[in-house]
Amino acid sequence: GQQLNQSPQSMFIQEGEDVSMNCTSSSIFNTWLWYKQDPGEGPVLLIALYKAGELTSNGRLTAQFGITRKDSFLNISASIPSDVGIYFCAGQNQGGSEKLVFGKGTKLTVNP
Amino acid sequence: NAGVTQTPKFRVLKTGQSMTLLCAQDMNHEYMYWYRQDPGMGLRLIHYSVGEGTTAKGEVPDGYNVSRLKKQNFLLGLESAAPSQTSVYFCASSPTHRGYGYTFGSGTRLTVV
Repeated sequence: GQQLNQSPQSMFIQEGEDVSMNCTSSSIFNTWLWYKQDPGEGPVLLIALYKAGELTSNGRLTAQFGITRKDSFLNISASIPSDVGIYFCAGQNQGGSEKLVFGKGTKLTVNP
Repeated sequence: NAGVTQTPKFRVLKTGQSMTLLCAQDMNHEYMYWYRQDPGMGLRLIHYSVGEGTTAKGEVPDGYNVSRLKKQNFLLGLESAAPSQTSVYFCASSPTHRGYGYTFGSGTRLTVV
């Protein structure tokens, strides 16, 4: 089955720093999604990307749909303590499987 | 404004006991999913449903059963719990198969001793 490689697995940063994480796939996706999971909660959708090359922002978050359709990137600028959590990428093919394929997550720790 | 509600939030079972986890959504979504989350493993799909009365196996279905008798509810059953089923279980729903993303519940933390 399809697999997503998400990196890094974890990050420890100082408040105010920028963060970058990425997700790569061995196959093409038509949709890329980024979720954040706060401790003790379920994942919440941050950004959805629907076209190759698309760059979308949500506040301090910016995500890009890779040109090859096999990767996606998430950047967080000027991190703050509430950015702590696990960030998941997910890919989906609209024309095929109805299910999302999730990466294993990037655990972000922000030191004040 | 409830979205996806999971009950119970916490449960401790003894090996061999059975239980049912309930997922309820009030968004009239067709699609519903059950995932388990283990450290370092991310989210793994157990079973899913594409509409009332339908169910299908996901990536890790062994030891679990599901039912979708009503559109708004998706039940996950453990017939004979094992320590390997200690995990956090998440339910999700979506309106269609298109890439709008899923709405997740807040999870059920299950410990099997």
